[in-house]
Amino acid sequence: DIEMTQSPASLSASVGDRVTITCRASQSISSYLNWYRHKPGRAPEVLIYAASSLQRGVPSRFSGSGSGTDFILTISSLQPDDFGTYYCQQSYSIPPTFGQGTKVEIK
Amino acid sequence: QITLKESGPTLVKPTQTLTLTCTFSGLSLSTNGVGVGWIRQPPGKALEWLALVYGNDDKRYRPSLKTRLTISKDTSRNQVVLIMTNMDPADTATYYCAHLKLVLGEVFDYWGQGTRVTVSS
Repeated sequence: DIEMTQSPASLSASVGDRVTITCRASQSISSYLNWYRHKPGRAPEVLIYAASSLQRGVPSRFSGSGSGTDFILTISSLQPDDFGTYYCQQSYSIPPTFGQGTKVEIK
Repeated sequence: QITLKESGPTLVKPTQTLTLTCTFSGLSLSTNGVGVGWIRQPPGKALEWLALVYGNDDKRYRPSLKTRLTISKDTSRNQVVLIMTNMDPADTATYYCAHLKLVLGEVFDYWGQGTRVTVSS
């Protein structure tokens, strides 16, 4: 299985801050990388697919970059609604695997 | 509006068989380029993909659990069923179903809220 490693495990930031979350794959996955956010008690939602494509309806403050083994999710200006746990997921090979998650808290 | 909802027992005993149903609306599972998958999350652990059925009825399973899993779809009822045999306390988790689309790879673009399953005697 391809192992996905996220960092940091958690972060606390203020409204308006620029936030970055990194995800590293144990082998090259080209651009087959998705980002999700999961809020407690709610369905997870996709933010970015194929490393850098913004899912329809997702605010433009979210962006993704990277290819191969290293990827970044950026929130350009953190908003109060952006709390939750963020996960990366590779779709390069079966089984699809997820990172351990990054919990984002608003100061 | 696209929705998915998981249903099934909240408590099962070790060695029993778990049957989970995903009922969806607002989408079709009879076309190519789509699918429905099951993902679980044990308490305090990462998301773990289990199985997937595509619109053409092709199926994929997590290799380590393949002997215990069966996934099937009923297009007329808009349902996908996951069967997991020989349940163990380690299978305690929240189980999610999710719609998959094939676009520049595969992505789970809609998810259910999940159903919590506890395995205990």
